[in-house]
Amino acid sequence: GQQLNQSPQSMFIQEGEDVSMNCTSSSIFNTWLWYKQDPGEGPVLLIALYKAGELTSNGRLTAQFGITRKDSFLNISASIPSDVGIYFCAGQTSDSWGKLQFGAGTQVVVTP
Amino acid sequence: DTAVSQTPKYLVTQMGNDKSIKCEQNLGHDTMYWYKQDSKKFLKIMFSYNNKELIINETVPNRFSPKSPDKAHLNLHINSLELGDSAVYFCASSSTGAGANVLTFGAGSRLTVL
Repeated sequence: GQQLNQSPQSMFIQEGEDVSMNCTSSSIFNTWLWYKQDPGEGPVLLIALYKAGELTSNGRLTAQFGITRKDSFLNISASIPSDVGIYFCAGQTSDSWGKLQFGAGTQVVVTP
Repeated sequence: DTAVSQTPKYLVTQMGNDKSIKCEQNLGHDTMYWYKQDSKKFLKIMFSYNNKELIINETVPNRFSPKSPDKAHLNLHINSLELGDSAVYFCASSSTGAGANVLTFGAGSRLTVL
């Protein structure tokens, strides 16, 4: 089946540092989404991307839809303790409506 | 006020039992989903209903039976529970309109089979 490769698997950073994570796909996607999951909660949408090359920000978060349509990255600038959590990329191909594929997640730990 | 609410949040049961998880959304969405998150946090779709009609049915044992009485509700019934069914089950919903791919998730139901 289709594979979404998300990296890194985990990151241990100091407060104030920037964080970068990315996802690559074996297929062309028409949608890339980035979610964050806090412990004991469901994933919450951070950023949605719909066009190749699209660069979108949400506060300290910035995400881009890769030109090849097979990759996306998420940056977090000036990390704070509440950025701790698992970040998931998710994508969908044009022929699999409603069937979001998720990456394995990036666990982010922020130390003071 | 919770957009997607699922109950129970925790469920501990013995192997062989039958259990149900309920989900309701008040977002006016017409599509609902069940996802399973395993111990490694991997999220995998199980089922999807659009306006009460089953549209996605991944390779899931037939011990799992979803039921959508209306487009605001999607329940999941599991028969003859097995140890491997232990996981967190997430309900989600979306709209077929603009932003159709954007799922809103519930808080999850953690199922532990002993």
